[in-house]
Amino acid sequence: DSGVTQTPKHLITATGQRVTLRCSPRSGDLSVYWYQQSLDQGLQFLIHYYNGEERAKGNILERFSAQQFPDLHSELNLSSLELGDSALYFCASSVSVTGELFFGEGSRLTVL
Amino acid sequence: GENVEQHPSTLSVQEGDSAVIKCTYSDSASNYFPWYKQELGKGPQLIIDIRSNVGEKKDQRIAVTLNKTAKHFSLHITETQPEDSAVYFCAASIEGGSQGNLIFGKGTKLSVKP
Repeated sequence: DSGVTQTPKHLITATGQRVTLRCSPRSGDLSVYWYQQSLDQGLQFLIHYYNGEERAKGNILERFSAQQFPDLHSELNLSSLELGDSALYFCASSVSVTGELFFGEGSRLTVL
Repeated sequence: GENVEQHPSTLSVQEGDSAVIKCTYSDSASNYFPWYKQELGKGPQLIIDIRSNVGEKKDQRIAVTLNKTAKHFSLHITETQPEDSAVYFCAASIEGGSQGNLIFGKGTKLSVKP
């Protein structure tokens, strides 16, 4: 158990809908990262928050947004969902802005 | 930006044999190179990492080597066991830089046959 908690574990929804994925980092970790994992693209970095502030953006679509709250949990919002958004979404946390990442078990999103 | 290439995409070995996975990176500023193991239904888990100030690091049956000049690094697993079967990812990042996010390779599916 990495100490990173992600909910929900599985989510099935329809095209055009909006979903929110939630992540609770390890106790004491200030950084939260979001990654998307698909068969063809592998692990793609989406966005990084550190202590509530956006730190870096990767290949995150404009339809996606994220935030980190004062209690350090983070949410990833996915809107106007398309079939191609079906993937595993991982949250990871670390103590600082670099170093070892601890991954949660992921949220599997299926868009029908 | 950084790009990490990983080979092979699949690797099958007999139990007890060695396994080697290789990665190359593009950004010479990268200085942190971790390896993650992902078992089915789970998130990636760090198994070993190396920083640019060392050329090799070992942890029991696992070792990682780094060649900064050639911009490549490798994972070596000796005396493989069935429980080593998983997908392995290499990654690179710039520690201390403005963006510490890891850029991952596409992964290697390792199968260890009893």
